[in-house]
Amino acid sequence: QQQVKQSPQSLIVQKGGIPIINCAYENTAFDYFPWYQQFPGKGPALLIAIRPDVSEKKEGRFTISFNKSAKQFSLHIMDSQPGDSATYFCAASKGSGNTGKLIFGQGTTLQVKP
Amino acid sequence: DGGITQSPKYLFRKEGQNVTLSCEQNLNHDAMYWYRQDPGQGLRLIYYSQIVNDFQKGDIAEGYSVSREKKESFPLTVTSAQKNPTAFYLCASSIRSRYGYTFGSGTRLTVV
Repeated sequence: QQQVKQSPQSLIVQKGGIPIINCAYENTAFDYFPWYQQFPGKGPALLIAIRPDVSEKKEGRFTISFNKSAKQFSLHIMDSQPGDSATYFCAASKGSGNTGKLIFGQGTTLQVKP
Repeated sequence: DGGITQSPKYLFRKEGQNVTLSCEQNLNHDAMYWYRQDPGQGLRLIYYSQIVNDFQKGDIAEGYSVSREKKESFPLTVTSAQKNPTAFYLCASSIRSRYGYTFGSGTRLTVV
């Protein structure tokens, strides 16, 4: 029940394409769903996050779609660029701050070809 | 600027040695975490601490030890009992009133 399953493991798209990364969870107590972006040799950085009271959130070219009934959420990258090539992790937690331990998906390595 | 500093960036360990990875934050965050990252396996929680002088085991604590004597510092020791320590280690912190983590830039540990 504590797992977050992420797919695909890797993804290759052409510049301008729209890669989509999917995550599924079981624990209905989760109330915070962030996405992290990680470049090689660096720590992950928060990209965008959503709470379950909304179905979609956009920040620039990045969009999270959230389906509470299906217990799934996904990341869409519009007009993808070679600079978006990185590893992306979804995560989930219940509660904030000290009690809000993040459970991470397995990660998706994205390559955007020029 | 506030942030999390991990050192060293690269570390080499001989068989049978203990090594300590440093993690320092000046964000005044309450909680700190250690994750191990291996290719294709995502981020696995080793230990976490919610307050000074207290910490809990994560999913893969065997062969590791931590201490939390100061709010700003959460060092991780990789002991000789950890049979496969080669990995990328990430430290993170969070604040009580907010969601999500801030990560350090990681330490890559290699057994030689």
